[in-house]
Amino acid sequence: QKEVEQDPGPLSVPEGAIVSLNCTYSNSAFQYFMWYRQYSRKGPELLMYTYSSGNKEDGRFTAQVDKSSKYISLFIRDSQPSDSATYLCAFTSGTYKYIFGTGTRLKVLA
Amino acid sequence: SQTIHQWPATLVQPVGSPLSLECTVEGTSNPNLYWYRQAAGRGLQLLFYSVGIGQISSEVPQNLSASRPQDRQFILSSKKLLLSDSGFYLCAWNTGTAVVEQYFGPGTRLTVT
Repeated sequence: QKEVEQDPGPLSVPEGAIVSLNCTYSNSAFQYFMWYRQYSRKGPELLMYTYSSGNKEDGRFTAQVDKSSKYISLFIRDSQPSDSATYLCAFTSGTYKYIFGTGTRLKVLA
Repeated sequence: SQTIHQWPATLVQPVGSPLSLECTVEGTSNPNLYWYRQAAGRGLQLLFYSVGIGQISSEVPQNLSASRPQDRQFILSSKKLLLSDSGFYLCAWNTGTAVVEQYFGPGTRLTVT
C-alpha cells in the first residue's frame, strides 16, 4: 500500500465551480497535513496546513482532515482560471521528512 | 524578506557526465535545507536534508550527493549522471521553529541524454 494516494487528474471544471481535491494516507504518525499549489515549471507554494482533524478556512480555500479515515481534502470555492495548477498534498509527522502526493492537475475553464 | 535561488534553471547533460546544482537562501540564518526531485507522474521525492553546515542526511541511496559548505548554500552533485537522474530538482528551506512550512525555489530542470 502506498503511503499517500492522490488522483492525478486532470480535473477540468467551469469557472465558478466548487472543486474538491483529495488524498488518502496510511501512516498514522502523520500529524501535519499540507496543501501546495504548483504552477507549470515552478516550485510548489504552500497554500494551507492543518494539525488536527476538522476544517480550516482561508478565503476561497477550505482544508479538511479526517484522521479516523486517513483522508484529507481541499475545497476551492468560486474557482478561477488562475487556480489552474497542480495541487499537491503533503504530510509530516513533525520531523524533517515530508511525504508528498503525486499531485492533481486542475484546469478551470473561463 | 527571504528569497531562495537555484541555478541553473535548465540543464541538458550526457550520461556519465558530472553534475553540480546550487541553491542559496537569503534573508534568514541557519535554515533547514532540502533537495527534492520531481519526476513525471511521481510526487516530490526527498533526496537530502541539512539542519546545519556540514550536516547532511540522505533519504534515498543513489549516485547523488549533497554538501552544505556555507550556512545558506546547498549543493547537489553527481560524479556520473544516469538517464534516471532526469527530473525537476527543487531546493527548499524552512526554519527550526516552523518545520511545517517549507519554501521552495524555482527549480532546475535536468535532462540526461
